[in-house]
Amino acid sequence: GQNIDQPTEMTATEGAIVQINCTYQTSGFNGLFWYQQHAGEAPTFLSYNVLDGLEEKGRFSSFLSRSKGYSYLLLKELQMKDSASYLCAVINQAGTALIFGKGTTLSVSS
Amino acid sequence: EPEVTQTPSHQVTQMGQEVILRCVPISNHLYFYWYRQILGQKVEFLVSFYNNEISEKSEIFDDQFSVERPDGSNFTLKIRSTKLEDSAMYFCASSETGGLATYEEYFGPGNRLSVT
Repeated sequence: GQNIDQPTEMTATEGAIVQINCTYQTSGFNGLFWYQQHAGEAPTFLSYNVLDGLEEKGRFSSFLSRSKGYSYLLLKELQMKDSASYLCAVINQAGTALIFGKGTTLSVSS
Repeated sequence: EPEVTQTPSHQVTQMGQEVILRCVPISNHLYFYWYRQILGQKVEFLVSFYNNEISEKSEIFDDQFSVERPDGSNFTLKIRSTKLEDSAMYFCASSETGGLATYEEYFGPGNRLSVT
């Protein structure tokens, strides 16, 4: 089976840096995704990691350690519009579906 | 930019009725998915579809659910006899590739289903 854990809620202020952690236990590993979901909207793709290390994309970066079953999403120069849920998801063993964590709701205040 | 579309955006139905949720995936994508999200809960995988057949389905996707690609553009999810607990947002997604290759799933805006 697969289990994905991430904090339920986080708060931060505009301009700050925040790190959202995700730990996973899977039977086989085929890749990990981070999605952003604003309330009432669809998830939108942020990043994909399959090898260890850091992937940087503008203000957002994602890190993966396969040996530790651990990933984080780093958001820099936070803006109010970054207030959203951030979903960690792993590809299932067959590679046919995404299995999502419960998501971390980030609130950014001024 | 191409996008996944879904209709209707919100459907209200009575318990026991059949509903069909419609999706138009991105045109050159080959893999199609349905997920659901009960209010306040996580996104849950229902089913994946490739080459006109189901690739995988979750334990949620029981005999009350079915999927179909009736033509070259639509991908539908049918719930045969709705229950109160089927009330949720249903997201359709598509991806250009699938299997064990790198793939990004593009999600549609969702069909909100309310069963009364």
